[in-house]
Amino acid sequence: NAGVTQTPKFRILKIGQSMTLQCTQDMNHNYMYWYRQDPGMGLKLIYYSVGAGITDKGEVPNGYNVSRSTTEDFPLRLELAAPSQTSVYFCASSYSGPRSYNEQFFGPGTRLTVL
Amino acid sequence: AQTVTQSQPEMSVQEAETVTLSCTYDTSESDYYLFWYKQPPSRQMILVIRQEAYKQQNATENRFSVNFQKAAKSFSLKISDSQLGDAAMYFCAYRSAGGSQGNLIFGKGTKLSVKP
Repeated sequence: NAGVTQTPKFRILKIGQSMTLQCTQDMNHNYMYWYRQDPGMGLKLIYYSVGAGITDKGEVPNGYNVSRSTTEDFPLRLELAAPSQTSVYFCASSYSGPRSYNEQFFGPGTRLTVL
Repeated sequence: AQTVTQSQPEMSVQEAETVTLSCTYDTSESDYYLFWYKQPPSRQMILVIRQEAYKQQNATENRFSVNFQKAAKSFSLKISDSQLGDAAMYFCAYRSAGGSQGNLIFGKGTKLSVKP
């Protein structure tokens, strides 16, 4: 199993450009998440999904959009990139069930720089 | 809202020695989970250890153990027999057992250095 994969690993964007960060998991997990990690900080939740077709906002959703058409994929869309979106982005997935730890498995991250 | 605080931005330990990383959290909930994640320079987030709030027994995973003090809302990580490969950022994280989000709330992290 590949686990959680993310593409690209690195990207530089110009202000105002758009891009999609890809995330795929092969563990048949129902929950998926997008976090961002700013320098010297912990991870903050951008969006999450509890299953295909269902998404909801996290703590810092402004400037981002998501979709979840399949169990495996959870792309994150950046529209009109701004320097404040320079960060490392992590995708994670987990299985949520009764009394489950809901342990989250993380992808390797995407380092995004907006200039 | 729940918060997680790691008061030690950096820690250092001699190889083979023991080090304890501190974490406190604030919540009004009684049922939750606590985690320690390791983030080496590769950036990969690796789960080190986890604890359920309703379990009084402290979790242990090989050289890693926790001191969970529910009343004090404290969740420290002890690393015994430290190895060079333990050098990394360590994040304490909280997750509510209820609700639909299931997301983790992270502290700001502690950077651990291991001296040979």
